[in-house]
Amino acid sequence: EDQVTQSPEALRLQEGESSSLNCSYTVSGLRGLFWYRQDPGKGPEFLFTLYSAGEEKEKERLKATLTKKESFLHITAPKPEDSATYLCAVSDTGRRALTFGSGTRLQVQP
Amino acid sequence: GAVVSQHPSWVICKSGTSVKIECRSLDFQATTMFWYRQFPKQSLMLMATSNEGSKATYEQGVEKDKFLINHASLTLSTLTVTSAHPEDSSFYICSAPASGGNEQFFGPGTRLTVL
Repeated sequence: EDQVTQSPEALRLQEGESSSLNCSYTVSGLRGLFWYRQDPGKGPEFLFTLYSAGEEKEKERLKATLTKKESFLHITAPKPEDSATYLCAVSDTGRRALTFGSGTRLQVQP
Repeated sequence: GAVVSQHPSWVICKSGTSVKIECRSLDFQATTMFWYRQFPKQSLMLMATSNEGSKATYEQGVEKDKFLINHASLTLSTLTVTSAHPEDSSFYICSAPASGGNEQFFGPGTRLTVL
């Protein structure tokens, strides 16, 4: 059974204070690891897909990395508009449905 | 990215009534769509996989007779919550994988409140 664990559960940062979110996973065969952003009362917004260990992807202040056991979402010099819940999910080679972690609630204070 | 819509965005109903939620892929075709449920301050839990032209497959513990899924076309899947009860109150979200890709794109969600 696929499992995804995210930490920390909540994170409060000052504007400009860089940090990282962690996603640990176990999966029989990795089809892909996904990062999403979710604002309150809305559906998840796609950020990144990572497929193999060593892969990195960047988008504005966000950078996602992948190892064989975990993924990190690095946030560089965050702004208040980066406040949201960040979700990590995996799909395995057996099916396309996603297994989600519980998310990290990020709050960036001005 | 691909666009997925849901209707309605919120609904309030009385206990015992049925509610239908629509999920549409607006700019691509989806032979498969997924339905998730999210309770307050929890993550998304897969309920079922909707397959165009065939029966949906349900996750363990999800009652197929209570949550009816119909994938009527390559751009539309519907979820009907039958005989809704207060414990069915939740945020229901659908997703669809983009054609030929692994990324899944999510709808904006439907907030169901059963009184």
